[in-house]
Amino acid sequence: EAGVAQSPRYKIIEKRQSVAFWCNPISGHATLYWYQQILGQGPKLLIQFQNNGVVDDSQLPKDRFSAERLKGVDSTLKIQPAKLEDSAVYLCASSSTSGYNEQFFGPGTRLTVL
Amino acid sequence: AQSVSQHNHHVILSEAASLELGCNYSYGGTVNLFWYVQYPGQHLQLLLKYFSGDPLVKGIKGFEAEFIKSKFSFNLRKPSVQWSDTAEYFCAVNAGGNKLVFGAGTILRVKS
Repeated sequence: EAGVAQSPRYKIIEKRQSVAFWCNPISGHATLYWYQQILGQGPKLLIQFQNNGVVDDSQLPKDRFSAERLKGVDSTLKIQPAKLEDSAVYLCASSSTSGYNEQFFGPGTRLTVL
Repeated sequence: AQSVSQHNHHVILSEAASLELGCNYSYGGTVNLFWYVQYPGQHLQLLLKYFSGDPLVKGIKGFEAEFIKSKFSFNLRKPSVQWSDTAEYFCAVNAGGNKLVFGAGTILRVKS
């Protein structure tokens, strides 16, 4: 079974630029999550999708971050404009909807904002 | 809001030493508890989980964890660590909606 795919793996941008990350979940997984992991901290949930609908985006900084999952499969997370404090690893995870939903994580995208 | 506290950020052990990593959470209701592990260069992966029943749960690679409800704790243990256990370990709680709240992580280094 293929795992969660993310790209790019690394990205370096200057502040005020924009950036986008892509995630393809495990096939058949209806729920998709984006987490932000700042160095020295645990992952923090930014947004949770169920199919193509948003379940929870309470911790998403909506003035600069946006995410979509138009066809209920892959998803993109965008930051515009980026700030220095956005430097982090952005993790995507997915889970099925049967029973308890173990979350499977992708390799992450390491973003450095200069 | 739920929160998770991990007691140590860095732990260094020699091979064959016993391991215990502390985890406390703040939430008064029913919780599901997890330990995730991230080996160097690899993805986060599930080590073990607790939903209900026996408070002592066993996971992969000889790890176990004990849920103590009265102490809001879910400590991870392994009787004898190996060099290959070098990794970062995260405790997490799911207090509803399948939303995970993670602790800050503990970096374990095992000296061979």
